[in-house]
Amino acid sequence: GAGVSQTPSNKVTEKGKYVELRCDPISGHTALYWYRQSLGQGPEFLIYFQGTGAADDSGLPNDRFFAVRPEGSVSTLKIQRTERGDSAVYLCASSLNPGTYEQYFGPGTRLTVT
Amino acid sequence: GENVEQHPSTLSVQEGDSAVIKCTYSDSASNYFPWYKQELGKGPQLIIDIRSNVGEKKDQRIAVTLNKTAKHFSLHITETQPEDSAVYFCAANNFGNEKLTFGTGTRLTIIP
Repeated sequence: GAGVSQTPSNKVTEKGKYVELRCDPISGHTALYWYRQSLGQGPEFLIYFQGTGAADDSGLPNDRFFAVRPEGSVSTLKIQRTERGDSAVYLCASSLNPGTYEQYFGPGTRLTVT
Repeated sequence: GENVEQHPSTLSVQEGDSAVIKCTYSDSASNYFPWYKQELGKGPQLIIDIRSNVGEKKDQRIAVTLNKTAKHFSLHITETQPEDSAVYFCAANNFGNEKLTFGTGTRLTIIP
């Protein structure tokens, strides 16, 4: 079946601009996660959704970052006033239910802030 | 919070030989330990995982061992093949906490 999909695959934006990154989880998966991966590093947790609500947003670095999942399926990660340090690959993962633990990742969106 | 360390950072193995990657974790409450394989330009792919109630799990050429007392777990790949070349990440989390904490990765190269 279809896996996690993310769009766009690549995004180049200028410093100070606003960007939106989209994640479409595996059908039927109730849990959705966003991670950020810098070059040569492992993914770092940003936020976790159970259904429509953000159950844990402790990984969001500051208030320029925000994410929504209004209908409990597709999620959008929003970054305001982008900075060069935001450049990274943003990964989305989904899991069937919380507590099942297995997280399946999408291909990621490579964000470059110039 | 949880801290996961992974060694080695790079590993080159002759095709057909075995590869071992090791991770240690800090939080004794952690009870789930997945391993991911990441190829260039792709997202991490879950290849095997282990929970704290077992000490070893095997799936064809891949096995994972867990030592809860020492707080370390290892990935073993036998009869390595060129397509095993990738970056491998270990991770950990604990009951009630959905976020995975990842190691820094091991770049595995299989030499034909």
